[in-house]
Amino acid sequence: DGGITQSPKYLFRKEGQNVTLSCEQNLNHDAMYWYRQDPGQGLRLIYYSQIVNDFQKGDIAEGYSVSREKKESFPLTVTSAQKNPTAFYLCASSTTANTEAFFGQGTRLTVV
Amino acid sequence: QKEVEQNSGPLSVPEGAIASLNCTYSDRGSQSFFWYRQYSGKSPELIMFIYSNGDKEDGRFTAQLNKASQYVSLLIRDSQPSDSATYLCAVKEGQGAQKLVFGQGTRLTINP
Repeated sequence: DGGITQSPKYLFRKEGQNVTLSCEQNLNHDAMYWYRQDPGQGLRLIYYSQIVNDFQKGDIAEGYSVSREKKESFPLTVTSAQKNPTAFYLCASSTTANTEAFFGQGTRLTVV
Repeated sequence: QKEVEQNSGPLSVPEGAIASLNCTYSDRGSQSFFWYRQYSGKSPELIMFIYSNGDKEDGRFTAQLNKASQYVSLLIRDSQPSDSATYLCAVKEGQGAQKLVFGQGTRLTINP
């Protein structure tokens, strides 16, 4: 079954902790993205990557970090520097030839 | 900052009627436009994409693009209660990069 898998579905973080959200795709897509969605809001781009070992900041990269060591994987770390991390995090991927992006099921992060 | 604007709604439409969703964008160089549907608590799913001026039809959905007016719309014919969701407009920003900028979404309710 081809698709994008995000884990975990729900994640709770204590103040001052770093947490890592997983995103894996088996669609052979070159580009991968991380978005953040707050209640009643649209999606805001955190980071994106077009090829392995390369990534660019989006509009709200502060307090986040990513890596792209494999084509299939694009993990997002929410660091303690992110002051308001409670949100719904969405990972997406697309080919470079076609521009449609497809989303994983999302990770809901809550600070406790 | 390139922007994508949508009326946040809620938009209420009777069952069987045509629902019309609108989106404007600020980057005149944008080439690719997407409509996503998002049910509450779920991730966005792609409904339509359009690259050329004019209309593109897929079943009950029609996307309309007017690059001169920087305007893209989505029409849903024979609206069904299952169409009740938030509809997100997205615009591809830049050349080569698969960076999608999203509007804040329009919440649509179909009344039986």
